[in-house]
Formats: sequence, structure tokens, C-alpha cells
Amino acid sequence: EAGVTQFPSHSVIEKGQTVTLRCDPISGHDNLYWYRRVMGKEIKFLLHFVKESKQDESGMPNNRFLAERTGGTYSTLKVQPAELEDSGVYFCASSQDTTFRPDTQYFGPGTRLTVL
Amino acid sequence: QQQVKQSPQSLIVQKGGIPIINCAYENTAFDYFPWYQQFPGKGPALLIAIRPDVSEKKEGRFTISFNKSAKQFSLHIMDSQPGDSATYFCAADIGLNSGYSTLTFGKGTMLLVSP
Repeated sequence: EAGVTQFPSHSVIEKGQTVTLRCDPISGHDNLYWYRRVMGKEIKFLLHFVKESKQDESGMPNNRFLAERTGGTYSTLKVQPAELEDSGVYFCASSQDTTFRPDTQYFGPGTRLTVL
Repeated sequence: QQQVKQSPQSLIVQKGGIPIINCAYENTAFDYFPWYQQFPGKGPALLIAIRPDVSEKKEGRFTISFNKSAKQFSLHIMDSQPGDSATYFCAADIGLNSGYSTLTFGKGTMLLVSP
């Protein structure tokens, strides 16, 4: 079974540009999460999808970040326009079903974003 | 403010040693405490987890000790091996009895086990 995949693995952009990150969760997983780790800091929650609906987006830093999950499959996270402080590693995670808690979150390898 | 405090930031032990990583939390609503292990180029992977109604959980060489009154928990790695060299994250989750999971992570500990 394929794990969580993320694309691209690295992205280097200039301040003011737009970047779109993609996450493909494990097939059949209803829950999809986005996290971010700024260098030396903790992994921080950004938002949580249940199928195509945003369940919790309390961690989104500001309105420059837009996450979508059309059709309840893959998800994209767009940053527009990017700022220097957006640099970090963006992780996506998925879990099958939160009916029986706790549900294990499976993480992708992350996208390392560098904003110059 | 940081809700889960993890220490040390880095740790070097010799093969066979017992590294210990400590975490502390403030929010008493946390009710599930997983540890994640991350190798370079990979995402974090669940290693072991504990609920606050038990004081210790052991899986293979990995043990979590949990002190509910002190709001602290720690990871011990027995007979550590070079292959255990990785970054370890403690985390806390809220709402075990609710439908949704939100992980709050510590800053991570880089462990190096020398041969």
C-alpha cells in the first residue's frame, strides 16, 4: 500500500511568488491534515479536512494560505504571495477514520519550502 | 506559547546506552500522548503512544513513562542502536473521546547513537 506522498519535495521561490504544494493521502483515508515545521521549532498544525470539508483550520497563519481538497482525495496548499517567514517543511498526514479513537496519522515526507 | 515542551534538543549516546527524552505539558485536556520517530528525508512515523490512565507502556526496546500529576512523560530507549539515530517528537492529542484529532508537538530531539 502506498503511503502519503507529497509534491514537490523541495521548492525555492522568491518573496511575492506563488507556490502550490500537493498531498496525496493513503487511499481510503477520509482525514487529511497539514502541518508545518519552521527550522528548529515544533511541528505545528495548520488544518484538518474530513473528506472535502474543512473540519478545523484554526492553525492557518493568515489569508495568504489556501487549502483545498476537491473530491475528498488529494489536497493542495497554496501560498500567495509567499513571504520569508513561510519557509519551512510542510507535512501532510492522513488517517483512516476517527470513529475509533485514537486514529493513527500517517505522515508524508514533507515539502521543504524556501522563500528567498 | 509552546504547549508541549521537549528536552533535550539533541542527545548523543553510545551504542547500548539508554537515551531519555522528556516532555512536559500544561493543558490537562490532553488525553493521548504519542511519540513520533523521523529519519532524514522521511516523515514522522508513530513509534509508541500512551493514554494518561497508565503510568508506563513498553513496546520492544521503547518505553514511555507517564506522570499525570506532574504533567510529564518521557521516552526511554533500551539497548540503543545506531539505527535508532533519528529525530524524536513527543506530541499530545486532545479529545480522545471526540471525533477529531489535533496533534500538538514538541520541538523534537535529535538522537545520535554512536557505534
